[in-house]
This record gives sequence, structure tokens and C-alpha cells, in this order.
Amino acid sequence: EAEVAQSPRYKITEKSQAVAFWCDPISGHATLYWYRQILGQGPELLVQFQDESVVDDSQLPKDRFSAERLKGVDSTLKIQPAELGDSAMYLCASDRDRADNEQFFGPGTRLTVL
Amino acid sequence: GIQVEQSPPDLILQEGANSTLRCNFSDSVNNLQWFHQNPWGQLINLFYIPSGTKQNGRLSATTVATERYSLLYISSSQTTDSGVYFCAVGDSGGGADGLTFGKGTHLIIQP
Repeated sequence: EAEVAQSPRYKITEKSQAVAFWCDPISGHATLYWYRQILGQGPELLVQFQDESVVDDSQLPKDRFSAERLKGVDSTLKIQPAELGDSAMYLCASDRDRADNEQFFGPGTRLTVL
Repeated sequence: GIQVEQSPPDLILQEGANSTLRCNFSDSVNNLQWFHQNPWGQLINLFYIPSGTKQNGRLSATTVATERYSLLYISSSQTTDSGVYFCAVGDSGGGADGLTFGKGTHLIIQP
């Protein structure tokens, strides 16, 4: 069964360092999402891609966060510099398109900033 | 933006009991999904149900879109059903399709 892949699964870093997360969506899925989940809360959308284009990045803290999906397939989310408050689970999801919009999530990357 | 409220926030039941989880949302939706988050943090898809009723084994779900709520039913609970259940909706207005999640229902099934 096709799955969304993410790496690394766990990341520990010190504040002010740069970190990067990778996501490979289900093959054939045009839409890719990055969410952040703080402990005890539901996930919140950071950015949505349609193929290689950003559809919504209104909740992405652009002073330190960046995201790209250069070839419209896999994607990278970067934080530079990391802050203590960035400690969270970072989840990637994908769906086929607007007409078939059931989202499937990867296993997530758990980030701890010391 | 759209608001999602889940109830109850916490639920403790004995194995074998039945439960109903509720999700209220504030606007029309083009997507409604129920997830179970396992102890490792993975979101497991339970139902894609923007309207109507679906069943999968001991689980079933109903969404009444006109009244803006959805219900998740779990029958004959097992300890492996423990975890956090999330309702998430997609707003039918606008061009973005990100899901808005509720705060979840934390379910504990005791043996």
C-alpha cells in the first residue's frame, strides 16, 4: 500500500541551528501539505503545494521557515534558526487533487530544540 | 476561519463498552475526516465522510452536513482503541484545502 514517507523520524537540535525535514508523498498525489502539531493540540497547516506551486503559506513563519517542492514531487521544510518554541511534530500529508481530497499523513518528524 | 469543536475532550471506558464522539463545525465543508493518532504520533485514516454514513468493522461514522456535525461510533471497545481521535474539516470556500483540526478526544479503554 502506498504511503507518505518522511525523514528523519526524530531530530534533536540546539537553538539557533538549522534543521530540514523531507517528505515524499504518495505517487500521483499532486497536493502536498506540511502541518505542525504541538503536544496536546491538533495539527495546524503550515503550507500547501499544488504540484510545485505554493497555494497557501499564510500560517508559515516566513522569517525562519521555508518550504520548497521544486519538481512537484518530494518536498523539504527548513527552519533557520530553530527556536525553543519550534519543538513539535512536523507532519506531511498528500492528496490526489481537489476532486479526490482525502488526505493521507506520513509518520511525522518529532523535533526537539534544546 | 472555520471552527471545529470535539466532545468530549476525555473519555474513559471499560473494555466492551460503546462510545460516541462528536464533532461540530462552523461552516460548510468539502472534506471531513476522522483520524486515530497512535502512540507514535501517526495519524491513521478512519473515515473520509463529508456527508452520509459509513461503517468499517466496529467503527461507524455519520455526518449531517446541513446541521454541521459528525459522529464517530465505536462499538465493543478494545484496549487497542485507546488514543486520541481527531476530526478535521476542509473549508468549501476559497482556494486552499488544508484541514482544520479539532482539539481531539482522548479515549482510554481499560481492561
